[in-house]
Order: sequence, then structure tokens, then C-alpha cells
Amino acid sequence: DQQVKQNSPSLSVQEGRISILNCDYTNSMFDYFLWYKKYPAEGPTFLISISSIKDKNEDGRFTVFLNKSAKHLSLHIVPSQPGDSAVYFCAADGGSNYKLTFGKGTLLTVNP
Amino acid sequence: DAGVIQSPRHEVTEMGQEVTLRCKPISGHNSLFWYRQTMMRGLELLIYFNNNVPIDDSGMPEDRFSAKMPNASFSTLKIQPSEPRDSAVYFCASTTYPLAEGGGELFFGEGSRLTVL
Repeated sequence: DQQVKQNSPSLSVQEGRISILNCDYTNSMFDYFLWYKKYPAEGPTFLISISSIKDKNEDGRFTVFLNKSAKHLSLHIVPSQPGDSAVYFCAADGGSNYKLTFGKGTLLTVNP
Repeated sequence: DAGVIQSPRHEVTEMGQEVTLRCKPISGHNSLFWYRQTMMRGLELLIYFNNNVPIDDSGMPEDRFSAKMPNASFSTLKIQPSEPRDSAVYFCASTTYPLAEGGGELFFGEGSRLTVL
């Protein structure tokens, strides 16, 4: 039973446009959400996070939105750049402060 | 600063053989994690150490898997005997406990790709 779901395995976007990556979760105990980015042959790297007491967190071109009632979060990248092409993982923690549950990832391709 | 170092990067072995994956966490980090990535299940937490002590091994699939952390700078994940379904990328990650708001930085190694024939 997947508690964190990324229903789009892949997404293709033109350079300069907005990329929107989506993530749904089922466990209402999750209270901290993160996005990681992964390039081929590398480990995932932390990108941005959001606590359940907020509905938006912004860091440069990256913004994460959280809709707790819908159990949905999204990552917006504006403007998208070819270097953003990677697999993006959504992850969640339910108060353990260590146990992250990851989604399966979405492959983002940004075309020049 | 050196990141999390894993070895080997690639391992091809035959079913029934013992496999040992190694990890050197970032100096000063007190928490170490072993994750497994497969197409079917994504990234799964296998085991979590805090201050060299195993805290949560509920993700270890079965008795064939074992992990140790004899000191703060070294950990191993052993599979004995290995099976084809163990084929995956195994990641080691480290951080300082706990994952606080505004952080959440698990620092991952580059992974060890295991193929069991």
C-alpha cells in the first residue's frame, strides 16, 4: 500500500515554462513533506520542504504547495531550465523525524 | 568536504553468493540510513542507525539481510545468500538527527547497483 503516490511517471516541459510535479498521500499522520531531485548515477539531493502548518514554501525558482484537506502537494519550477531535467521524489514524515516515505518519482525533462 | 561514500558502485554476483556493501557517512553526522531503490517499490528505508545503534530495522526484508555500524565512520549492509530479487540500487544516507523543519537534508551517497544473476 503506497502512502505517497506520484501518479505521473514522467513530464516533459519547454524551457522557460512552468513545471508542476504532483504528489498525493494517504497517511493523515504525515506532517512534514520534502522534495528530492536525482540525476542519473547520483544519489537524491534535498530540494525543498514544507511543514503541515504551512501551505506554501518558496525557494528561488522552486515553490511547494500543500493542500492538507486534499492530501496533495505540488512542486512548481518557474522558469524551468534544461538543468532541471531529473527524477523528482516526493517524501513525507509522520513525526518520527527520521523515517521518510518516498514516492516512486517523476522524471522531468525540460526541452531547450 | 567529502560526501557519503559508498562502495562498490557496481556489483554483479551469482545467486547464493554473499554481498557486502559499504558506506562511509559524512563526518559529524550521527544518523545513517540504508535505502533500496527498485522500479516496483521505489525508495524504501531498510534500516536506520542513530549514534551507531540500530533504531529501526523494520524495513529489512528478511533474515538474509543484515547491517552493522561498528563505528561512526563505517557501516555495512550484507546479503547472504543473495537472490535475483535483491537486484536494486542500494543507497546509504547520513544526516544529523532529527530532520528539522527547514532542513530535511538526508545526504545520499551515489549508490551501489547490485545485480544478482
